[in-house]
Amino acid sequence: KAGVTQTPRYLIKTRGQQVTLSCSPISGHRSVSWYQQTPGQGLQFLFEYFSETQRNKGNFPGRFSGRQFSNSRSEMNVSTLELGDSALYLCASSTGRQSDEQYFGPGTRLTVT
Amino acid sequence: GEDVEQSLFLSVREGDSSVINCTYTDSSSTYLYWYKQEPGAGLQLLTYIFSNMDMKQDQRLTVLLNKKDKHLSLRIADTQTGDSAIYFCAEFNEGSARQLTFGSGTQLTVLP
Repeated sequence: KAGVTQTPRYLIKTRGQQVTLSCSPISGHRSVSWYQQTPGQGLQFLFEYFSETQRNKGNFPGRFSGRQFSNSRSEMNVSTLELGDSALYLCASSTGRQSDEQYFGPGTRLTVT
Repeated sequence: GEDVEQSLFLSVREGDSSVINCTYTDSSSTYLYWYKQEPGAGLQLLTYIFSNMDMKQDQRLTVLLNKKDKHLSLRIADTQTGDSAIYFCAEFNEGSARQLTFGSGTQLTVLP
């Protein structure tokens, strides 16, 4: 079974631009969660999507948004990029049921200059 | 609020056992996870334990959970140089806050 895939793996953007990241979960998984990893703040939860609906949201500004498609693939969008948005963005795939294992993709490294 | 704490660094000799410790605060956590992260890579799920268990063994890995003290540990037997990485513990609450709350990670260095 293929693992979680994230595209692109690396991205360089300038301040003020917007960016879209993509995550394809493991086949059969309906839940996708997004996390931001930075040296200063560590791993922080952004949001979770399940069956095309946002089920849970972390404490990030409205510039961070996401969506999920009917095939469970998810996209995350960051608008009006700031230098502090430079991070590794990780998505986690799970079935979304109660007894659940969360599998992570390799991440997208975003650099904002 | 929820908080997960880990020591930042651990060094062991190749062949010895490693024990990585973690404390958490959310008593309603339902699962506790251990992830491994190598440089430039994502998070690899190593193992997890349900909160109603006190021990889980999986090959070289042993997880111990003391729910009363909210203390979790990961023991790696016969540690190898390939085990050098950052290890994260994380708690998960399947109730309203369906999210992983991570510790800051423990950098494990295995010395030859």
